[in-house]
Amino acid sequence: DIQMTQSPSSLSASVGDRVIIACRASQDISSWLAWYQQKPGEAPSLLIYATSSLQSGVPSRFSGTGSGTDFTLTISSLQPEDFATYYCQQASTFPRTFGQGTKLEI
Amino acid sequence: QVQLQQSGPGLVKPSETLSLTCTVSGGSISSYYWSWIRQSPGKGLEYIGYISGSTNYNPSLKSRVTISVDTSKNQFSLKLSSVTAADTAVYYCARLGVDGTYADYWGQGTLVTVSS
Repeated sequence: DIQMTQSPSSLSASVGDRVIIACRASQDISSWLAWYQQKPGEAPSLLIYATSSLQSGVPSRFSGTGSGTDFTLTISSLQPEDFATYYCQQASTFPRTFGQGTKLEI
Repeated sequence: QVQLQQSGPGLVKPSETLSLTCTVSGGSISSYYWSWIRQSPGKGLEYIGYISGSTNYNPSLKSRVTISVDTSKNQFSLKLSSVTAADTAVYYCARLGVDGTYADYWGQGTLVTVSS
């Protein structure tokens, strides 16, 4: 299985901050990477797919870059509703695998 | 708007079979990949498998998992046999899209506790 490692595991930030979350794959996954947001008590929600494509309805302050094994999710200006846990997921091979999550706190 | 509604018991006894159903509304169950994913504090998000004509299961669970579809009811189901406490988790159904890559629609989640 491909291992996905996120950093940091948790992050404290303020409204208006620019935040970057990293995700590293244990092998080359090309651009087959997604980012999800999960709020307490809710299912994850797809934010970005294919490394940098924004899912419909997702604000443009979210962006993704990377290729191969190293990827990043950037939130350009944090809003109160962005405080949540973020997961990366590889879609290069089965089984699909997820990172352990990054909890973004105020 | 596609919606996924999960149903099934929240408590299963050890060694028994966990059974969950996901009903899809707002779209046909054909032409997409339909999956089950679980989330536990110890293992995070874990892909269980998908069905889209054929099935694909996580090798770590393959011997115990069956995913099936009932197109007449626009439903798909999960069965996980011989459960133990390690199978206690929130189980989600999700649509993986036409290419089986990313989960763009999710069910509400079902907390399944394995306990006698």
